[in-house]
Amino acid sequence: NAGVTQTPKFRVLKTGQSMTLLCAQDMNHEYMYWYRQDPGMGLRLIHYSVGEGTTAKGEVPDGYNVSRLKKQNFLLGLESAAPSQTSVYFCASQTPDGQPQHFGDGTRLSIL
Amino acid sequence: GQNIDQPTEMTATEGAIVQINCTYQTSGFNGLFWYQQHAGEAPTFLSYNVLDGLEEKGRFSSFLSRSKGYSYLLLKELQMKDSASYLCAVRDSGYSTLTFGKGTMLLVSP
Repeated sequence: NAGVTQTPKFRVLKTGQSMTLLCAQDMNHEYMYWYRQDPGMGLRLIHYSVGEGTTAKGEVPDGYNVSRLKKQNFLLGLESAAPSQTSVYFCASQTPDGQPQHFGDGTRLSIL
Repeated sequence: GQNIDQPTEMTATEGAIVQINCTYQTSGFNGLFWYQQHAGEAPTFLSYNVLDGLEEKGRFSSFLSRSKGYSYLLLKELQMKDSASYLCAVRDSGYSTLTFGKGTMLLVSP
């Protein structure tokens, strides 16, 4: 039972490049989330999904897009990476009845 | 929106007790969570309160007062491995999102 798996774990991009971060969960959770974590800023919600085919904006959605084509996967896309998007990105999932969110191990992304 | 405040850093000695406070001002509330995060790792769930009062879980306890917008996490018999960041998070009234505080870095010294 892997829980929440994020791919890749590390990545370095150049400004203007695009990439997709993948989050996969094997717990059959309805809800999935993408956060970014920066020093002194805590965890901030980028986008989330309450079910397959649905997405919603969080606190800091600009510059990111998401898709939830399958229940177990939640993709985070950066169309044109900027240095301000250098961060650690965490994916999380939970059931709809309010149980705690489970987090992946994070993706460390640097944009030069 | 949500505004969540917790101290930036705290220090304590091995074997001691430490209390980490969290205050919140929210437009909706449906529970308060505490997570632990070691450096370079993912947050892991510690405790959860939705009603007023104390929840105890081994060496860890969490307290909530909804009328005061206040919670604390109490760590007893501190161990070196308790050195970590402790995150307070408030859930919205719709059960769907958490808003996190900036975290409290706890350093436990021998």
